[in-house]
Amino acid sequence: NAGVTQTPKFQVLKTGQSMTLQCAQDMNHNSMYWYRQDPGMGLRLIYYSASEGTTDKGEVPNGYNVSRLNKREFSLRLESAAPSQTSVYFCASRIGVRSAEAFFGQGTRLTVV
Amino acid sequence: KNEVEQSPQNLTAQEGEFITINCSYSVGISALHWLQQHPGGGIVSLFMLSSGKKKHGRLIATINIQEKHSSLHITASHPRDSAVYICAVHYNNDMRFGAGTRLTVKP
Repeated sequence: NAGVTQTPKFQVLKTGQSMTLQCAQDMNHNSMYWYRQDPGMGLRLIYYSASEGTTDKGEVPNGYNVSRLNKREFSLRLESAAPSQTSVYFCASRIGVRSAEAFFGQGTRLTVV
Repeated sequence: KNEVEQSPQNLTAQEGEFITINCSYSVGISALHWLQQHPGGGIVSLFMLSSGKKKHGRLIATINIQEKHSSLHITASHPRDSAVYICAVHYNNDMRFGAGTRLTVKP
C-alpha cells in the first residue's frame, strides 16, 4: 500500500529558483495538507485542501502556492525560493477535515542556499 | 504560546525502563493524535483518541479531556523505540502540533 507519496525526498535550491513539491495519495481521502517542520517547532500548516477543487491558507502561507490537481494530487510550489524556506516539508491526507486519522508522506528536505 | 506543549523535550532511558511523555493543550479539541517520527523523517500515526485510554502492544495512550492533558507510555522500552514522539490535536479544521519529544533508549 503506497499511502501518501511525496517527491522529491531531497532538494537543494539557489535563492530565487522555483520548484514544485508533488504529493499523491491512494486512499480516496478528501482532505490534503502541506506542513513544514523546523527545528524546535511543531509542524506548521502551510496550505490545505478540504476537498477537491478547494484550497485554503494555513498558518504560514507566504511564499507558497498550491494546486489540488485532482482528488489524489496536491502540489506545493515555491515561486522564488528564499533561505527562510529551508525546512522539511510534509504532505498529509485525511478522509475529512474533522477528527480523522492523518497519514503522512516521507517528507522532503529542502535547502535554499 | 504554543497551543500544544510537550514534556520532556528530550528523554534518555535504559532498555527496559517505563517511559512517559506528556502533552498539554490549551484549546478545545475533538481528538488527539500521538505520532512517531523515526530518524530519516517519516511520520506514522500511533494513536488517535478522544477519551479514555488506548493500548497497542507496549504503547499506551491516555487522555483527560477535563484537564486537557494526554500521556504516552512505553512499557519495557527498547532501542528501536528511539524516535521523536509528537502530540497533535484536532482543532477546528486543522491539527496543531507539539514540538516533539526526542526519546533515546540505550541498550
